[in-house]
Formats: sequence, structure tokens, C-alpha cells
Amino acid sequence: KQEVTQIPAALSVPEGENLVLNCSFTDSAIYNLQWFRQDPGKGLTSLLLIQSSQREQTSGRLNASLDKSSGRSTLYIAASQPGDSATYLCAPLLDAGNMLTFGGGTRLMVKP
Amino acid sequence: NAGVTQTPKFRILKIGQSMTLQCTQDMNHNYMYWYRQDPGMGLKLIYYSVGAGITDKGEVPNGYNVSRSTTEDFPLRLELAAPSQTSVYFCASSYSRVFTDTQYFGPGTRLTVL
Repeated sequence: KQEVTQIPAALSVPEGENLVLNCSFTDSAIYNLQWFRQDPGKGLTSLLLIQSSQREQTSGRLNASLDKSSGRSTLYIAASQPGDSATYLCAPLLDAGNMLTFGGGTRLMVKP
Repeated sequence: NAGVTQTPKFRILKIGQSMTLQCTQDMNHNYMYWYRQDPGMGLKLIYYSVGAGITDKGEVPNGYNVSRSTTEDFPLRLELAAPSQTSVYFCASSYSRVFTDTQYFGPGTRLTVL
């Protein structure tokens, strides 16, 4: 059974800092991994999808890396802004199934 | 373009009551999913469907039922509601599970069972 852990669980930083959010998973036989953003009381928005054959994906100030063999992914946020405040969830998709397995998320607060 | 819509947004049930959570998508997606999210936790898959007439259990299916009679709709049925089913329920859809596809999520239904 896939287990997904996200560290830290919560993070509070001043505006402008560069951030690294960590995601680890126990089963490395994944097809892809997604990073989502969830605003309070809202659904999830997909930020980045990284295939198992890729090492990283970039979108604007966001960069996600994947080390499949070690079961790790990181989400790098450059020059953080108050609008980045949200919960960030990672979710790998196993090769052998149709289920995303979600981590517990990192709750980010960026202070002006 | 509405995307994934869910109704109702909020609901309070008494123990033992039943209800149906509605989910509709207008993107002609084959795959649809139901998740639940407990406070401070990640999402857990309840049921999913790979096309009309085909459904399968996810990680936490007990106490729930689904049907998929059309491509657009994927209702989730709660029978004999229990306090353990208090949660936020999210419906999602995707065109397929392969390669570059991503899942699109609805806004959620917040359910309380008292």
C-alpha cells in the first residue's frame, strides 16, 4: 500500500522567501506524480504533473522535481507571495492502479 | 465552461438518514472519482468509474454506493449515515489516467452527521 508523507505539515514565512516543500512515498512504481493547491473551503487545483520518466517540471515560479528511485518529490516556490498561502498536496499515481494517493499536505502561510 | 459541479455545498444529516451527493462534469471525461477529506488529512478515494456503466471500489468504499449511467453524472449514495462519514466530499474527473492527464476537482460538499 502506498504511503505518502509531506514535510513540513505547516510553514509560515515572510514574503519573498524561496521555499521547498517535501513529499516522500513508499512505493516507487509510480506512473506520475501531481502537486495540487487547495485554498480554504475550496476544491483542489492541479499545479504540476510530472511523469515518472521526467526529473522536473516548471510552471512560472513553481518547480517540481522527482526522484522516483528514492521515492521523493519536492516543490520549489520562488519569491513567495501572500497569494501563495494555501495547502499544497502531492499525489503519486501507481503504475498498477487508477488511484491517486494523497499526502496530508503542507499548509503554507506567506506573511506580507 | 462549468467543469465539475457538486450539489449540495453543505448538508447536515441525522444518524441513519440517507442522501445522494450529486456530481456532474461537462468536459466529456471518461474517468470520474469520489474522494473524502477529513480535517487535516489528505484525500482518500471512495469509488471511481472509468466510463458509463463501470465502477470500482477505492480505498474506503464501505457505507457508500455509486452508479454511472451517463458520462456526465456520477452520484454518490450514503445509506444509513454514521458520524464517521462526517467529512468533505470531492468529486473529480479526468479524460484518462494515461500520460499527461490531470484530474479536475469540484468545490466539495461539506457533510456533517449528528
